[in-house]
Amino acid sequence: NAGVTQTPKFQVLKTGQSMTLQCAQDMNHEYMSWYRQDPGMGLRLIHYSVGAGITDQGEVPNGYNVSRSTTEDFPLRLLSAAPSQTSVYFCASSYTNNQPQHFGDGTRLSIL
Amino acid sequence: GQQLNQSPQSMFIQEGEDVSMNCTSSSIFNTWLWYKQDPGEGPVLLIALYKAGELTSNGRLTAQFGITRKDSFLNISASIPSDVGIYFCAGQGAQKLVFGQGTRLTINP
Repeated sequence: NAGVTQTPKFQVLKTGQSMTLQCAQDMNHEYMSWYRQDPGMGLRLIHYSVGAGITDQGEVPNGYNVSRSTTEDFPLRLLSAAPSQTSVYFCASSYTNNQPQHFGDGTRLSIL
Repeated sequence: GQQLNQSPQSMFIQEGEDVSMNCTSSSIFNTWLWYKQDPGEGPVLLIALYKAGELTSNGRLTAQFGITRKDSFLNISASIPSDVGIYFCAGQGAQKLVFGQGTRLTINP
């Protein structure tokens, strides 16, 4: 039972580069979300999706794009990386938007 | 946006001591959740609370959903070394979770 799988686990980028963080879940969850975690700030919601073909913005969406073409996958795209996007990124999923979410192990992203 | 105030931010205790942490909000939530995060890993759900006034236990952990629906607390009894980590509260709002800033627990053997 894989749960929520995030790849890569670590990544270093240069300012201005683009990148896609992958997230996949095998639990047939409709709801998926992306958070970033910064020291002393807890987890902040970037984007979320309540089902395939539907996405919406969270608390800190600027600089990030998402798409949800399948139930299983919810990639997060950085179109032009900035040092302020250095963070740990977590993907999470749940059956519906009001059920407890299950988290992946995170992607640690550094932007130089 | 909505914010949760979680306290304390950090705790340094002796093994065997009891621990208490809490979370307050200016908004009402219909669900409160408590997660634990170990270094290098994602948060793991400990306890979910769905009704105001609800008191729920999971082993040595006990959590309560405040009657006003604006607060929750988590207690850990007889702490052990593997309790070390960061504990997060989260309130379930419309379509999304709102997290507290976390409580970092350190245990001296």
